[in-house]
Order: sequence, then C-alpha cells, then structure tokens
Amino acid sequence: AQSVTQLGSHVSVSEGALVLLRCNYSSSVPPYLFWYVQYPNQGLQLLLKYTSAATLVKGINGFEAEFKKSETSFHLTKPSAHMSDAAEYFCAVSDNQAGTALIFGKGTTLSVSS
Amino acid sequence: DADVTQTPRNRITKTGKRIMLECSQTKGHDRMYWYRQDPGLGLRLIYYSFDVKDINKGEISDGYSVSRQAQAKFSLSLESAIPNQTALYFCATSDPSTSATGELFFGEGSRLTVL
Repeated sequence: AQSVTQLGSHVSVSEGALVLLRCNYSSSVPPYLFWYVQYPNQGLQLLLKYTSAATLVKGINGFEAEFKKSETSFHLTKPSAHMSDAAEYFCAVSDNQAGTALIFGKGTTLSVSS
Repeated sequence: DADVTQTPRNRITKTGKRIMLECSQTKGHDRMYWYRQDPGLGLRLIYYSFDVKDINKGEISDGYSVSRQAQAKFSLSLESAIPNQTALYFCATSDPSTSATGELFFGEGSRLTVL
C-alpha cells in the first residue's frame, strides 16, 4: 500500500527565510507525487506534481520540489518565505497503475513571521 | 462560478439526523471523490466514483453512503450522524485523460458539526 509521511506538523519561519517542508513516500510502484496547499477557509490547490519526467519540479508561487528515489523523498522548498505563504501544505501520492485516488499525508502548517 | 460546488458550506445538526452533502461539477470529469479532513489527520478518502455506474469504498466508508446521480453530481449521506463525524468534507474531481497522474480538483469544502 502507498503512503506518505510529512515530517513536522508545524513549521515556523521568518519572512525571507528558506522554507523546507519534508515528505517521504512509500510505494511499491513508481509513484506520482503532489504537493497541495490549503489557505484558510479554502479548498486545496495544486502547487506542483511529479509525474516521472524531470526530478526537479517547479510549481506556483516560487515553490519547487525534488524527487529523490534513493531517499524516497519529495521535499518542498522555497528560497524566501513570504507572509502570504502561511497555509497548510499536503503531500500526496498516487498509484498510477491501480488508478486509485490520491493518498494524502497529515499536513504541515507553515507559519511565517515578520 | 466555481468548477466544483459543494452545498451546504456549513451545517450544524444533531446526533441521529440524516444529512446529505451535495457536490456538482462543471469540469466534465468522470471521476469524483469525497474526502474528510480532520485536524492532524490530513485528508482521508471516504468514497470515489469513476463513472455513474461505478462506486468504490475508500479508507473510511463506514457510516457513510454515496449516490452518483449523474456525471456531474455526487452526493454523500450520513444516515444517522454521530459527533465523531464532525469534520470538513471535500468533494474532488479528476479528468480521465489526466487521471493517470491522479491530479484532483477540489471544491471549497462543507463544514459539518454534529452535536
């Protein structure tokens, strides 16, 4: 069975600092991996996705993630945090071959202080 | 207008009541899903449907049922609501032409409180 583990339920950074949100996955087949963001009182919005093309994936709002098969990781980064980045972030994995629904991690809340 | 619309957005009900959450979409997607979000637990899959005649249980289907009335409509029912079903519920869709990647498009959520 597939799963994702997000390390750290809450991450706090200062404005302008590096953002690093960690995600490790478990999958018996080549995975597709996603990061979604949820702003307060809103639904989830896709940030970026890895679908077996380039291992470094660039998304919206300056975020990027790198797929590392050897480490079974897909960590999300942003060089310089902005106040507007404060939100909850979810890592998710899908099993393409089974065609089933996304499996989500438990989420990481990002706080940004001035 | 939103591509994936959920109604109601907020609902407070009492234990034992029957509740229906509705989802409609204008994206033309065949695949629809219901997830539940709880603080600290992320999103968990309740039911999903790959077309009108196909309904599948997810991770936490007990206490829930669904109806796929049309390609564009997918309803979630709680036959007899209980307090631990208090949560934020999300409907989502995916496009068969890109569903291999699993990308989902979400509604804005329905917050349900069971007293």
